[in-house]
Amino acid sequence: DVKVTQSSRYLVKRTGEKVFLECVQDMDHENMFWYRQDPGLGLRLIYFSYDVKMKEKGDIPEGYSVSREKKERFSLILESASTNQTSMYLCASSFPLYGYTFGSGTRLTVV
Amino acid sequence: AQSVSQHNHHVILSEAASLELGCNYSYGGTVNLFWYVQYPGQHLQLLLKYFSGDPLVKGIKGFEAEFIKSKFSFNLRKPSVQWSDTAEYFCAVNAQNGNKLVFGAGTILRVKS
Repeated sequence: DVKVTQSSRYLVKRTGEKVFLECVQDMDHENMFWYRQDPGLGLRLIYFSYDVKMKEKGDIPEGYSVSREKKERFSLILESASTNQTSMYLCASSFPLYGYTFGSGTRLTVV
Repeated sequence: AQSVSQHNHHVILSEAASLELGCNYSYGGTVNLFWYVQYPGQHLQLLLKYFSGDPLVKGIKGFEAEFIKSKFSFNLRKPSVQWSDTAEYFCAVNAQNGNKLVFGAGTILRVKS
């Protein structure tokens, strides 16, 4: 089974801090994704990457950046955390015709 | 741009009742379709997927979904729900020539025992 591992389950950060969320997958998938999940809004795509050092903006990229230096690792960066970025963050990886596998999520609270 | 609409945000059913959760998408091209489930405190899991072929797709735990191309719909069904089906259900779509998976807002199902 594909495993997508997110380094932290819960995080509490202060407004203005730079925040790093890490995600690692173990199946050599080319595509990796970062979503945020909010009640009543479903999952919204922040950024995705289809290869090392390649990235594309999703639907809500403002206030975020990403880094993919190695195929298995995809990091989400909040440059200056704000309270409206309090959310559940989900990482996923995919392979064509296989579907998407999600990590267990990081619940970030910005105070 | 693709979008996905789930008809109900909250559904409450008694055990043994039948379930149908609506999902419609907007995209003119060929699509892949998915239903995911998130049980309380757990991560998203794939229930079933449709890529091509028979439009009636069977998934895990007795769930099935039917793709009706003319209606741009992919409704999820289960003949008899159990208390353990209490969860949030997400419909998702991606274009067959694309990478992005677009989700609906989710439907929270509560099954009363």
